[in-house]
This record gives sequence, C-alpha cells and structure tokens, in this order.
Amino acid sequence: DAKTTQPTSMDCAEGRAANLPCNHSTISGNEYVYWYRQIHSQGPQYIIHGLKNNETNEMASLIITEDRKSSTLILPHATLRDTAVYYCIVRINAGNNRKLIWGLGTSLAVNP
Amino acid sequence: EAGVTQSPTHLIKTRGQQVTLRCSPISGHTSVYWYQQALGLGLQFLLWYDEGEERNRGNFPPRFSGRQFPNYSSELNVNALELEDSALYLCASSLAVVMNTEAFFGQGTRLTVV
Repeated sequence: DAKTTQPTSMDCAEGRAANLPCNHSTISGNEYVYWYRQIHSQGPQYIIHGLKNNETNEMASLIITEDRKSSTLILPHATLRDTAVYYCIVRINAGNNRKLIWGLGTSLAVNP
Repeated sequence: EAGVTQSPTHLIKTRGQQVTLRCSPISGHTSVYWYQQALGLGLQFLLWYDEGEERNRGNFPPRFSGRQFPNYSSELNVNALELEDSALYLCASSLAVVMNTEAFFGQGTRLTVV
C-alpha cells in the first residue's frame, strides 16, 4: 500500500471550512483514498473514500487531484465536535492486501 | 442497526498472563480486522479474518493470534503479555467481496498490562 503524508496538526475556526490535505505521490492506479477520523480514544469513524472522482456525502467532500498524487478532505462548516485526528489512507480494495496502513494523521482542533 | 461491538471495554492484566478480546461485526459483514493502537501512536494492523480464515497478518509475534467463528464474530488472543502490549485494541468489520467497501470500527478494548 502507498504511504501518505499529512500535516501533524491544524486549527480551524468554528463555522468555517476545514481543508485537510494529504499527499500520496506513490499511489497506484487501483488504490483508493480513504479518510477516517478518531475522536479521543474512540474507534475510528469512516468519513469518505474515492478513486479518482471528487466525492461528497453528508459529512464531507473529498477532492482528488487529476494526477491522484494528493487529495483534500473538506469539512464545509466545522463544529467543535469535529475536533479529532483525521487519517488519510490509500489501499487496494481486492485480494489479500486489503488491510489499511495508518499514519499518524492530522490532529484538527476546531476553536470557538 | 447495531455497530461493531467489542468486549470488554477495559481490562487490566499482569505481565505473563493471557487475554482474549472479543468482537461482533455488523450484521452481514464477513470480514473482521484487528488493530493495535498504542498510546500516542497510529493504528497497527494485526489480523484480517474472512469467512473463518486468516487472510492476512501484520508484523506481530505469534503470541498474537485469533480466530473467526461461523457467525463471523472474532476473538483476539494474546499470550505471555508484555508491558508494551498495553494499548487500545480495535476491531473493524466490512463486507468481504464487494469493491469500494469501507470498514466500520468498534469502540475498542483498552488493555493495560502491569
């Protein structure tokens, strides 16, 4: 699985959009980009995933660059409850190599 | 619909003891994944079970083992506990063969080895 690089920490004002970047320059053609978040000491929560098209759901939007070497998770109106560690992961979705390889993520602090 | 459930939520064991952690996947999910998260560190992949078979294993010693039952629930066993085994152990489940499938996590078992 390809590795990802994320900033260690970010701050965002409540009500503003939070844009969390992720670099995955070694991503291969059949690897998906996944985003999870983990609120302190809880189990990770799935947010969104995509292959090459931009994706949007009720939680967030995922923007993947055309060359797929980086992506951005957008929380359109951040709230205090969005304070968490956000993980960007790339992985193949088939075969015996379906484990997720986790980095240290970005610690997002949403401030009032 | 119930999510992934893990038991117990907290556990304290003595070095050298053995421990069994349990996980019940979301109904309909046949794949179960186990991860270890030591304090301040990222999640480390331990094991993946699907349809009762071990499909993949992370870089952990053999004293970490597990199994998956016919109802797709799973156990993680750790023998000869060491202090550095203290961590949050997370279980996740997913559909096995469907592409684009995300994994859903339980709340974890906090294991403390003293």
